[in-house]
Amino acid sequence: AQSVSQHNHHVILSEAASLELGCNYSYGGTVNLFWYVQYPGQHLQLLLKYFSGDPLVKGIKGFEAEFIKSKFSFNLRKPSVQWSDTAEYFCAVNAFSSGSARQLTFGSGTQLTVLP
Amino acid sequence: EAGVAQSPRYKIIEKRQSVAFWCNPISGHATLYWYQQILGQGPKLLIQFQNNGVVDDSQLPKDRFSAERLKGVDSTLKIQPAKLEDSAVYLCASSSPAASGGRDTQYFGPGTRLTVL
Repeated sequence: AQSVSQHNHHVILSEAASLELGCNYSYGGTVNLFWYVQYPGQHLQLLLKYFSGDPLVKGIKGFEAEFIKSKFSFNLRKPSVQWSDTAEYFCAVNAFSSGSARQLTFGSGTQLTVLP
Repeated sequence: EAGVAQSPRYKIIEKRQSVAFWCNPISGHATLYWYQQILGQGPKLLIQFQNNGVVDDSQLPKDRFSAERLKGVDSTLKIQPAKLEDSAVYLCASSSPAASGGRDTQYFGPGTRLTVL
């Protein structure tokens, strides 16, 4: 069964610091990769996604993620965080098996707190 | 474009009572999902519908949970009887795999926060 690991449960940064959140998955075949964000009091929103092609994916609000197949990783990055980036971030993966996508599996989330 | 709608937003019940949640997906989205998100964890899929048929309900506790999507649009998820461990946020999501060539993206509703006392 596929699994997703987010090793950082809570990250605290000051404004303007750089961010990198780790995401590793366990599946050797073709995968779709996602980062979702949940701002306080709001619903899950898609931040960015990778299906194929350029492994460096750019999303909304200055976020980007790099798919490194050899490391089974899809880490999220932002060069300079803002207070408004305070939120919980979820990595999610769905694998392809027999030509169809399997269920979306989420990591346990990383709570990011940005101090003004 | 309207998003995924869910109601109620909050529900408090006592154990052994029953409860139902409603979801209306994004217009035209054929696939609908129900997830359970326990505090401190990521969402876990309970059931997936394609139109009005069930695609995957392998993680649905069928002794107490049921779901339907009779007309292939909106859906209800029911718990009967509820247990303390059912306290969670129940999320509905929808996607349109046909429009994206199978590479579908799921869009989530605001969720229903259930507290079982």
